[in-house]
Amino acid sequence: DGGITQSPKYLFRKEGQNVTLSCEQNLNHDAMYWYRQDPGQGLRLIYYSQIVNDFQKGDIAEGYSVSREKKESFPLTVTSAQKNPTAFYLCASGVLGDNEQFFGPGTRLTVL
Amino acid sequence: ELKVEQNPLFLSMQEGKNYTIYCNYSTTSDRLYWYRQDPGKSLESLFVLLSNGAVKQEGRLMASLDTKARLSTLHITAAVHDLSATYFCAVETNFGNEKLTFGTGTRLTIIP
Repeated sequence: DGGITQSPKYLFRKEGQNVTLSCEQNLNHDAMYWYRQDPGQGLRLIYYSQIVNDFQKGDIAEGYSVSREKKESFPLTVTSAQKNPTAFYLCASGVLGDNEQFFGPGTRLTVL
Repeated sequence: ELKVEQNPLFLSMQEGKNYTIYCNYSTTSDRLYWYRQDPGKSLESLFVLLSNGAVKQEGRLMASLDTKARLSTLHITAAVHDLSATYFCAVETNFGNEKLTFGTGTRLTIIP
């Protein structure tokens, strides 16, 4: 089955901890994206990548880091520098030049 | 900076009625996307509008794009309960960086 997977579905973090959210796709898409969604809000872009070993900051990159070592994978690390990390995190991928984005099921992160 | 505004933000409709959701954006763009999100779930792609005057229809939903007015509409015909969800429009920034800017969403509730 082709698609985008995110894990875990739910994640709890203590203050001061770094956590990594997984995003994998087998759609052969070049572009991958991370968004944050707060309750009742729209999506805000954290980071995006158009090619392996390259990525760009989005609108709210502070306190987050990413890597793109493989085309299929784009993990997001939420660092202790992110002061308010509790949110729903969505990963997406797409074909370059097309820009229709396809979303994974999301990870809900809660800071205890 | 591209701004995308949707209205209304909240909409309660009776089953069987018609209504329209509006998406305005602030700078030139030729591509607009509509997504649906059910509570606690990810985003599902509904429509891709790629040129001025584009119209797409799927079931009781019809989307259109007027790039000169920088306006897209999502029209709901004879609403049914299954259409209850949050609807987002997203606009491609015309800067070659493959980014989408999302609207704040319209939460639609269909009342029996």
